[in-house]
Amino acid sequence: QVRLVESGGGVVQPGGSLRLSCAASGFTFNSFGMHWVRQAPGKGVEWVAFIQDVGRNKYYADSVEGRFTISRDNSQNMIYLQMNGLRREDSAVYFCAKDAWGFLDHWGQGSLVTVAS
Amino acid sequence: ENVLTQSPGTLYLSPGERATLSCRASHNVNNNNLAWYQQKPGQAPRLLIFGASSRATGIPVRFSGSGSGTDFTLTISRLEPEDFAMYYCQQYSYWWTFGQGTTVAIK
Repeated sequence: QVRLVESGGGVVQPGGSLRLSCAASGFTFNSFGMHWVRQAPGKGVEWVAFIQDVGRNKYYADSVEGRFTISRDNSQNMIYLQMNGLRREDSAVYFCAKDAWGFLDHWGQGSLVTVAS
Repeated sequence: ENVLTQSPGTLYLSPGERATLSCRASHNVNNNNLAWYQQKPGQAPRLLIFGASSRATGIPVRFSGSGSGTDFTLTISRLEPEDFAMYYCQQYSYWWTFGQGTTVAIK
């Protein structure tokens, strides 16, 4: 079955950087786009970024454009989110999710990122 | 940006009752590209409905979706104890946006 496992979260100071990883299994990874979605403590979910199946096209929410970079390694069934210039408002649980024609049909359990001094 | 507004914010109901959740879009959602998700505390969201009305694999028939254009509804015909949770709608007609969520709570 589909499995998505995020890692790389932690505590980082404002202005710092962090890279999240998501290991995928149970499906033909290079045939599907992938998303990052986040959820601040006690808040709703917010879409963050999307990468197409072969990684050619990438899209970002305005709130992270220019600071975050999504990438993937189809040889390793991995996606990544490089987060630079982190702000307190970036504190959240970050989920990776598999795309299915635009909706998100499988989600990981999330990785917590805390931006604090 | 296609802003999704969900109502009510919280719905207080008893097991066995019918739940009706609304999701209104600021712009037309083409091709009924709207999904619904359920989230329980400490868990990731789970896909319930896609294409406005198609149930995802393994989702019980008591969950149904309807609507088109800018107005969509998620209905839970008879609430089971495990259905008390947060529900989000999401449009994928133009980029991706989520509503702010509706909590279904026990009365």
